[in-house]
Amino acid sequence: QKEVEQDPGPLSVPEGAIVSLNCTYSNSAFQYFMWYRQYSRKGPELLMYTYSSGNKEDGRFTAQVDKSSKYISLFIRDSQPSDSATYLCAIPNQAGTALIFGKGTTLSVSS
Amino acid sequence: ETGVTQTPRHLVMGMTNKKSLKCEQHLGHNAMYWYKQSAKKPLELMFVYNFKEQTENNSVPSRFSPECPNSSHLFLHLHTLQPEDSALYLCASSQEQASSYNSPLHFGNGTRLTVT
Repeated sequence: QKEVEQDPGPLSVPEGAIVSLNCTYSNSAFQYFMWYRQYSRKGPELLMYTYSSGNKEDGRFTAQVDKSSKYISLFIRDSQPSDSATYLCAIPNQAGTALIFGKGTTLSVSS
Repeated sequence: ETGVTQTPRHLVMGMTNKKSLKCEQHLGHNAMYWYKQSAKKPLELMFVYNFKEQTENNSVPSRFSPECPNSSHLFLHLHTLQPEDSALYLCASSQEQASSYNSPLHFGNGTRLTVT
């Protein structure tokens, strides 16, 4: 089993929709969970992180971790065309020296 | 100039060529990374450097040769590549070689490599 699994999509939604992006992971020892956003022809940039379980909210974005089911989610409320990008979940590797990424989910928000 | 800068943005090379990718970070970070991004595949970690010393080689073929002369510069030397090596090569840096939330990765915009 891969360490991080993510459905690559693509996912297309109308403006204003609520978007749910998800990843599953295999190693229950992971403590940090991150979401990166990558616009076309750009490098990924850190969007949000969560530590251990629970929710973290930042504006229209909410990151959620369910350690019992090894499931991490990113919710986007009131989605905007500017949210169109690829969203990558990431977790530290076993040694904590680098990040392991999911395949990324490509999101398109139409106006 | 700020952030992480990669050159060239695009590179087309034949299988017998030798070329180099360059990365420079202006963030004062101590760790630098090479990742490979291919279509429909996760970002693949290639190499990690911490304070100029290579700390990880993720089973990368020897036709890829990294070089880190100082904490601000990272190179990836390429020779006798294969068409399947065509991908986006991303450089990143972080304050420490510990991928926690308080030492996130900062990425460059990548070099799009095409091997013909």
